Amino acid sequence: GQNIDQPTEMTATEGAIVQINCTYQTSGFNGLFWYQQHAGEAPTFLSYNVLDGLEEKGRFSSFLSRSKGYSYLLLKELQMKDSASYLCAVHGSSNTGKLIFGQGTTLQVKP
Amino acid sequence: EAGVTQFPSHSVIEKGQTVTLRCDPISGHDNLYWYRRVMGKEIKFLLHFVKESKQDESGMPNNRFLAERTGGTYSTLKVQPAELEDSGVYFCASSEGGTGTEAFFGQGTRLTVV
Repeated sequence: GQNIDQPTEMTATEGAIVQINCTYQTSGFNGLFWYQQHAGEAPTFLSYNVLDGLEEKGRFSSFLSRSKGYSYLLLKELQMKDSASYLCAVHGSSNTGKLIFGQGTTLQVKP
Repeated sequence: EAGVTQFPSHSVIEKGQTVTLRCDPISGHDNLYWYRRVMGKEIKFLLHFVKESKQDESGMPNNRFLAERTGGTYSTLKVQPAELEDSGVYFCASSEGGTGTEAFFGQGTRLTVV
């Protein structure tokens, strides 16, 4: 079957660093996405990993290990506006761009 | 450039009624996806259009759901007749390519069936 697991909720302090983990078991793998979603808004793209390693983009970094079926999203210098839901999603098939989502991690940043 | 737009943003209908959701993708995006999030669950794939053709409709729950994309531009998703378990947020997304291409999401339509 297809399964993507991520923590339901996390809390962190403004200015700190937080790591959101995602583990996946899918019948195929063609890349992993991280999306950010503020309440009532559209999910917005943060990162894409298809090869092992770390991708850095400003305050956000994403890591992938295909052999372990594992990814994490690292957020540095947390700001209050980073309070949102973070969605891990996998492209499981090469025939279509459909995404398989985890339940999302709700991150609350406190002053 | 306009993003993906969905209409309506909210819809409340009675069980047994019909509802049609609309999605306008980003201009030039051949790939259009419908997803649904039921309360407390993850976002789940419904179907995928490439231009006007259905590439994958494996996620459609049953034959009460009908999606169309005439002319390969905007898409509609009709639920007829609606049931209580159809309540949720319906998202549309579009992308230029398929696998490995970033998908741009709309804000979603919150459907409540009472």
